[in-house]
Formats: sequence, C-alpha cells, structure tokens
Amino acid sequence: DAMVIQNPRYQVTQFGKPVTLSCSQTLNHNVMYWYQQKSSQAPKLLFHYYDKDFNNEADTPDNFQSRRPNTSFCFLDIRSPGLGDAAMYLCATSRTTGASSYNEQFFGPGTRLTVL
Amino acid sequence: AQKVTQAQTEISVVEKEDVTLDCVYETRDTTYYLFWYKQPPSGELVFLIRRNSFDEQNEISGRYSWNFQKSTSSFNFTITASQVVDSAVYFCALSEAWRDDKIIFGKGTRLHILP
Repeated sequence: DAMVIQNPRYQVTQFGKPVTLSCSQTLNHNVMYWYQQKSSQAPKLLFHYYDKDFNNEADTPDNFQSRRPNTSFCFLDIRSPGLGDAAMYLCATSRTTGASSYNEQFFGPGTRLTVL
Repeated sequence: AQKVTQAQTEISVVEKEDVTLDCVYETRDTTYYLFWYKQPPSGELVFLIRRNSFDEQNEISGRYSWNFQKSTSSFNFTITASQVVDSAVYFCALSEAWRDDKIIFGKGTRLHILP
C-alpha cells in the first residue's frame, strides 16, 4: 500500500544532542511537510518542500532544519533539542495538480520525541 | 487572518448515539478549502474530507456527514450511530487559495464513544 512512513516512532534524545527524524513516502507526491504537535494541541507547520524548493514558516526556530535528498525521503534535523521541543513530529505529503493547487495532505504516524 | 474554532474540546456519548462536532472558521479569502481529519490514539492524522468554498452541498459518506454553511461560516461534522472505533481527536482545518500549501488546524475535539 502506498503510504507515508516515519522512523523511528519513538525517539529519545538528550538536551542539546542533535537528532534526526526521517520520513519516506511511496505516494510519489511532490510536496512534503513537517509539523510539530505538542500535547493536546493542533499540528503546527514547520516547513515544507515543494519538489526541491524549501519553504520555511516565519516562526519556525532556526534550531529546526530539513533535508530532502530525493522525492521519497525527507529529514527533520533538530540541532540542539531543548525540553520545549518534546512533541510529536508529523510528516505529510500532498500532490499538486496545477500552478497553485495543493490537494489534501496525507500524514504519517508521527515520531514522538522525548528530550531528557 | 484565518482562524478555525472548535468550541467543543471534549465530548462523550454512548455508542449508537449521533454526535455533531462543530467547526467555525474565519477567512477573508473568497476561495478556500475546508478539511476534517481524524487522529486516533495511534497518532496518525487521517484525512476525512476536503471541501472548497464554492461547493456548499452537504456530503454523506456512510455514517459520516458534513454540513457546510457559508452564511454562518460553519463546517460541522456528524457521526450517525457512533461506534467505539470512532473515538479519536477530530480536527477541522482551513487553507486559503492564496496560500493553499498551508493548512490551519483548529484545536481539535476529543470524542469518547462509551460502550
């Protein structure tokens, strides 16, 4: 089945120790997103890739970076995790069908990050 | 500015009852898209429906139905004959045509279906 896969499902890191979360997709969608969702809150968009073009949200901290080496994979790098970065990180994909037409987003199961 | 309000933070109903989840949105754009997503305990957000602002027809999919009313800026979601498997957090969301890569989520409604 075509899907969005996130590994690992649970990640524990230490305060200040860099961590990388990964996302892969078999949907062949050209747009990939990273969201942060804290407990009992709505998902918050961090950034997204439209093909190879990186689009950062204005309020995303510099501590968060992303890489997309190819269509299928996208990584979220947290350079120096703080306690406030503990959250669920959700990857999503969508497929554009026109010049400015983004369809519904399909989400992976998320990676729950714990910062000790 | 765009905004999505889900006034019900948590709802509990007994299995087989009908339940309606409310969603009110704000936008200045005349072209926009509305969504509902389900987030079960496993954490994955599951897409349920997408509606564009020009399509006010109500939608029914099995036990699920959606009532879109532009006059009241509402996009409510009803589950008929609820089941325990419907227990989840449900998010209403909005994206505007000028920036339709970005979905603004409401805070979600946690739905408990009691056996």
